[in-house]
Amino acid sequence: DTGVSQDPRHKITKRGQNVTFRCDPISEHNRLYWYRQTLGQGPEFLTYFQNEAQLEKSRLLSDRFSAERPKGSFSTLEIQRTEQGDSAMYLCASSLDGGGTDTQYFGPGTRLTVL
Amino acid sequence: AQTVTQSQPEMSVQEAETVTLSCTYDTSENNYYLFWYKQPPSRQMILVIRQEAYKQQNATENRFSVNFQKAAKSFSLKISDSQLGDTAMYFCAFMKHGGQGNLIFGKGTKLSVKP
Repeated sequence: DTGVSQDPRHKITKRGQNVTFRCDPISEHNRLYWYRQTLGQGPEFLTYFQNEAQLEKSRLLSDRFSAERPKGSFSTLEIQRTEQGDSAMYLCASSLDGGGTDTQYFGPGTRLTVL
Repeated sequence: AQTVTQSQPEMSVQEAETVTLSCTYDTSENNYYLFWYKQPPSRQMILVIRQEAYKQQNATENRFSVNFQKAAKSFSLKISDSQLGDTAMYFCAFMKHGGQGNLIFGKGTKLSVKP
């Protein structure tokens, strides 16, 4: 059983460019979460999916951010027109709803640096 | 809205000794889960221990145990026989039962285990 994987692990981009991150959850997990973690802080919730449906979005998720989870498998998080304030670690987590546990398992994260 | 507070930004402990990390939270919910996650330097976040609020018995996982005081809204983590590999950021997290499942994290405590 492989864990949650994220790609790329690191991304450096220039302000104004678009970036896309991918998350592959644990295979049987039907819930998928995106969090953002800035230096010295705990992760903050961005959005989550139940299968392919995006059910909740945080106010942190501005119009420049979009997330998808086609077919309820992997997910992508896109940031358009990046700003320096978008620099952070983007974490993905997955869990199995209805399996008797709500424990979330995290991926290694994608560290974004916007120059 | 729920909040999680970790009042100790940094702590250190000698190898083989015991250390306790503090966490308090604020919620009006009666059913919820509490977690401690560990984030080693440059590595992914992993679950240390979880506690269901309806369970009076404190959770234990090998050298890790919690002191859950529901009335006081306190959830401390005790690490016994500290090992060098316990050096990490430790995050306390709250999750409402039956909600969308997003975790609310504290700011973390940086634990250093010294030889």
